[in-house]
Amino acid sequence: QKEVEQNSGPLSVPEGAIASLNCTYSDRVSQSFFWYRQYSGKSPELIMSIYSNGDKEDGRFTAQLNKASQYVSLLIRDSQPSDSATYLCAVNVPTSNTGKLIFGQGTTLQVKP
Amino acid sequence: SAVISQKPSRDICQRGTSLTIQCQVDSQVTMMFWYRQQPGQSLTLIATANQGSEATYESGFVIDKFPISRPNLTFSTLTVSNMSPEDSSIYLCSVLTDNYEQYFGPGTRLTVT
Repeated sequence: QKEVEQNSGPLSVPEGAIASLNCTYSDRVSQSFFWYRQYSGKSPELIMSIYSNGDKEDGRFTAQLNKASQYVSLLIRDSQPSDSATYLCAVNVPTSNTGKLIFGQGTTLQVKP
Repeated sequence: SAVISQKPSRDICQRGTSLTIQCQVDSQVTMMFWYRQQPGQSLTLIATANQGSEATYESGFVIDKFPISRPNLTFSTLTVSNMSPEDSSIYLCSVLTDNYEQYFGPGTRLTVT
């Protein structure tokens, strides 16, 4: 069983719609959760971090965490073509005190004009 | 966040040779990480580099193949030794900031012929 799972996509949404990206993780003790955006040919860019159950909003992005269900999601409101990228979910390794992360395979988002 | 630079940005090397990749950050950080990203794949952690101690390698990666130096709190190098075409990949360094977030450098695209 993969430790961090994402649907690879592609997820295609029309411009202006809400894009919903999902991630599940296997280690119930994980405490820190991150979303990275990676444009083709570029390195990952941190866009959201979340540590507590519930929602965290930052501009058009909302991260949602449900530790009981071991589920974290990213909502992108008013999706723009510039949001087209691969979104990586990352979860901390609880047994490590170094900040080590495990990454999912990423979901490719396509926003169509 | 942190501003991270890597050198070289890309290189084409012959099999059997070695390449050293440099990672520089604009502030002092305790932890630095080295990742590999194969085309179309997610990130694979090679090792964690803590200043003042030996790097900690992940399963499947060994010091003889990927020696790492961490001489101070703003700099690290990764050497890819005795290269083969299978080492062709993007190599990324990242740093852990004081709020336990990881930020990535721009990456080094390596092609081995």
